[in-house]
Amino acid sequence: EIVMTQSPATLSVSPGERATLSCRASQSVSSNLAWYQQKPGQAPRLLIYGASTRATGFPARFSGSGSGTDFTLTISSLQSEDFAVYYCQQYNNWPSFGGGTKVEIK
Amino acid sequence: QLQLQESGPGLVKPSETLSLTCTLSGGSISSSSYYWGWIRQPPGKGLEWIGTVYYTGDIYCNPSLKSRVTISVDTSKDQFSLELTSVTAADTAVYYCARTESGRYSWFDPWGQGTLVTVSS
Repeated sequence: EIVMTQSPATLSVSPGERATLSCRASQSVSSNLAWYQQKPGQAPRLLIYGASTRATGFPARFSGSGSGTDFTLTISSLQSEDFAVYYCQQYNNWPSFGGGTKVEIK
Repeated sequence: QLQLQESGPGLVKPSETLSLTCTLSGGSISSSSYYWGWIRQPPGKGLEWIGTVYYTGDIYCNPSLKSRVTISVDTSKDQFSLELTSVTAADTAVYYCARTESGRYSWFDPWGQGTLVTVSS
């Protein structure tokens, strides 16, 4: 099993500031990494796939980077609608998810 | 635009079998391009992949759940189903169905809205 570890568990950020979320895999997953955004009471929504390709409907302030074992999701200037929980998921082998990072208003 | 909708009992007794169905609208389950998956989320916790099925009936399951999971496809109804046997309170979760792209192990998009299943006597 590939274990995905996300940090921090909670990130307190002011609107307009930059947010940097980390995801680490227990072994290399190449670029087979996705990110999801989940708001309360809603299903997760695909945000990034292939480590850096933005899904339809998400603005350019969201960007993904990394390969191998270390990945980063950056939100360049947080808007009110971006406060949510973010999950990473590897699909290099059978899928596994990280524990999530909650981005909250500071 | 493809939409998925989960359906099934919201309450299951311990040791019994959880059965859910995912119905597609706006798309065909028989598309050779896609696989179809189940993911669950215990209340207040993270996501866990349960398994993935292809329209041919080929199944790929989480090894930790494999002995209790059956996933099937009904191409005539554009549906796929999940059965989880011998449930306990630890199986209480929101269950999501989703489409996977780019092979059996891939990202999930889109997702159904999810259905809460509570295991309790």
